[in-house]
Amino acid sequence: EAGVAQSPRYKIIEKRQSVAFWCNPISGHATLYWYQQILGQGPKLLIQFQNNGVVDDSQLPKDRFSAERLKGVDSTLKIQPAKLEDSAVYLCASSLAGKETQYFGPGTRLLVL
Amino acid sequence: GNSVTQMEGPVTLSEEAFLTINCTYTATGYPSLFWYVQYPGEGLQLLLKATKADDKGSNKGFEATYRKETTSFHLEKGSVQVSDSAVYFCAKLGGGSYIPTFGRGTSLIVHP
Repeated sequence: EAGVAQSPRYKIIEKRQSVAFWCNPISGHATLYWYQQILGQGPKLLIQFQNNGVVDDSQLPKDRFSAERLKGVDSTLKIQPAKLEDSAVYLCASSLAGKETQYFGPGTRLLVL
Repeated sequence: GNSVTQMEGPVTLSEEAFLTINCTYTATGYPSLFWYVQYPGEGLQLLLKATKADDKGSNKGFEATYRKETTSFHLEKGSVQVSDSAVYFCAKLGGGSYIPTFGRGTSLIVHP
């Protein structure tokens, strides 16, 4: 069974530029999560989808971050414009509907210069 | 409160030593508790979990017991191997919050 796929694996941009990350969850997983993991810290939930609806986005900085999951499968997370403090690893995870166990992708490491 | 606190690392051990990584949580109810492991260059993987008080999660020689009275979920292993070197994250879900909450992670380094 294929795991959670993310791309790109690494991205370097300058501040004020835009960037987008892509996630393809495990087939059949209705729930999708985006996390931000700053160096030395645990993952922090940014947004959680159930199919194509948002379950929670209370910790998403909506002035610059956006995410969508239009067809209830793949998802994209965008930052526009990026700030230095956005440098982090962005993790995508998925789970079966109603199940607590999350399966994580390898993450996208973002460096904002 | 809604937090997970882990002991600071790195934890450095010799092979076959006993491992304990402490984890405590705050919650208004009774969350499910998890340990995830992150090997270098990889994503987080679920190591074990427990969903109610006094449950013991176990996997690959690791164990953790859900202690309601001390709000703890300490990770233990009787004999660590070099291949156990990784970062370990304690996490909770539920218990008054539907937002998954992770600790800061504890780095484990095992020397031959």
